[in-house]
Amino acid sequence: LAKTTQPISMDSYEGQEVNITCSHNNIATNDYITWYQQFPSQGPRFIIQGYKTKVTNEVASLFIPADRKSSTLSLPRVSLSDTAVYYCLVGDLPPDKLIFGTGTRLQVFP
Amino acid sequence: EPEVTQTPSHQVTQMGQEVILRCVPISNHLYFYWYRQILGQKVEFLVSFYNNEISEKSEIFDDQFSVERPDGSNFTLKIRSTKLEDSAMYFCASSPGEETYEQYFGPGTRLTVT
Repeated sequence: LAKTTQPISMDSYEGQEVNITCSHNNIATNDYITWYQQFPSQGPRFIIQGYKTKVTNEVASLFIPADRKSSTLSLPRVSLSDTAVYYCLVGDLPPDKLIFGTGTRLQVFP
Repeated sequence: EPEVTQTPSHQVTQMGQEVILRCVPISNHLYFYWYRQILGQKVEFLVSFYNNEISEKSEIFDDQFSVERPDGSNFTLKIRSTKLEDSAMYFCASSPGEETYEQYFGPGTRLTVT
């Protein structure tokens, strides 16, 4: 599984767009990029998954450049309830174990 | 929306006692996992289970740990002789199959060993 690097923490205000970038220089050809969210005292929750270019769902967008050595999770118009830890994971299918790093702790202020 | 459930939500036990943590994965899922998270630390993989057998386990998952799927719905994690350092949040997760990297996590069981 490729090693990932992401900021330890980020601050934002309600209504702003938040972009969290993850570096994964050693990503392999078969690897997918997946983001999870974790609230305090809860299990991680899948947000979005992609292989290349851009993926969008009702929660977030994932931007992946052509070289796939990084990815950016974009949260549009965050609210206080988006305060959580966000994890970037890189790995191959089928559903293998998930290796979590320390994640990015996002704090949203009013 | 289907969800993974776990019981109990909080378990307090004395060092050396056996505990069984229970999980009910989402019904049509095929892959099952246990993770743990010590307070303030990363989520750590313990074990994965597929086709009624362990498919992978971590170094943490030593002889004190075992998993079982005793019937078609439950998935359990047993710790035979708990240690203080086993105190953590234990998460069960399940996944539908080979076309997704998505795992669905339960709410967790907080295990406190005294």
